This record gives sequence, structure tokens and C-alpha cells, in this order.
Amino acid sequence: EDQVTQSPEALRLQEGESSSLNCSYTVSGLRGLFWYRQDPGKGPEFLFTLYSAGEEKEKERLKATLTKKESFLHITAPKPEDSATYLCAVQARTGANNLFFGTGTRLTVIP
Amino acid sequence: DAGVTQSPTHLIKTRGQHVTLRCSPISGHKSVSWYQQVLGQGPQFIFQYYEKEERGRGNFPDRFSARQFPNYSSELNVNALLLGDSALYLCASSSVGGGANVLTFGAGSRLTVL
Repeated sequence: EDQVTQSPEALRLQEGESSSLNCSYTVSGLRGLFWYRQDPGKGPEFLFTLYSAGEEKEKERLKATLTKKESFLHITAPKPEDSATYLCAVQARTGANNLFFGTGTRLTVIP
Repeated sequence: DAGVTQSPTHLIKTRGQHVTLRCSPISGHKSVSWYQQVLGQGPQFIFQYYEKEERGRGNFPDRFSARQFPNYSSELNVNALLLGDSALYLCASSSVGGGANVLTFGAGSRLTVL
């Protein structure tokens, strides 16, 4: 059964204090691993897709990496506007063409 | 360009009632998916439609149904509402129905069941 575990559940950082969010996954053949950002009361906003172990992608202060068992979202020198819930999701090669989400990490960046 | 639009944004129903939620995908996108997000949890897959055909169904009871229209818009229907159906219902569209396609989500419809 597909499983996605995100840690920590919540993270408070001072502005400029870099950190990493973890996404551990179990899936019957990975088609893609997705990172989304969700602000309160809004729908998830796409950040990255990773397809194979060793792949990395960057966007501004965010960098996503992928291994065979987990993905990390590294946040470098965060700003208050980076405060949001970050969701990780996997898509399996078999079965329905859906995303299986974790419960997210709620990030708060304090000025 | 308009993104994924959903209506209504908020609604309140009582137990046993029926609700219809609507979704218009991004222009040119032929696939629509529905997800349920309970407070504090990640979105959970309900349905996917592509070219008006059901392509996938999550682990939800038969009280949940959906359809896609010729213009690719979609409706999610929930019958005999339960308190546990209170959630944010998200619609997402993508250009294709398969592959590691990126889903673009709407802002959601917040359903409260009393």
C-alpha cells in the first residue's frame, strides 16, 4: 500500500535560519514525487516534480532532492512569506493515476 | 489566463442533504480530479475524469459520484451527507490523463455539515 510520511508536523524558524523538511515514501513503483505549497484557505500550489533517485530541482530559496526512500525540501534563508504548509505526494506507476499525499509540514518563519 | 475555478466557495448543509460542487478546468485541460481535504490532513483522492470517462476512483462510498461534461467542466455530488463529510473539496485539472502530469488545483469548496 502506498504510504507517505512527512516530518516534522510543524516547524518554526527564524528568518534566515535554513532547514529541511522530510518526506518518506513507500510506493509500488514511483512514477513521480511532487511537492506542493498550501496557504490557509487555498488550494495546493505546485512546486516540483522529481522522477528518479538522485534528481534535484531548485526554485528561489527551495531545493528538492530525491532518494529511493525519501525526499527532502531544503529551505535556505527563509523569509516570512515562505510560511505555509508543504505537502509531499507520490504517484504510482500502477493503478489509478492519482496523487497520494502526506499530511504536510506546517512551516512558520518568524521575522 | 483563468486557473481552475470552483463553486461555491463555502456552503453549509445539514445531515442527510445532498450537495453539488462544480469545477471549471484550465482552458485546454481535459482531465479533472477531485480530492477531499479534512482539516489538518493531506488531500485524499476521490475521482479522476478524462475525456468524460472515469479513469480512477478512490476509497469513498457510493454516496459520492461525479461526472464530466463535453466542455470538460465537472460536478461532484454527495448524497445523504454525514458530519464526517465536512471538508475542503479540491478540484484539480491537468492537460493529459496519464503520466506524471502536474495537477493544478483550484481554491476549493469548503463544505460544513451540521
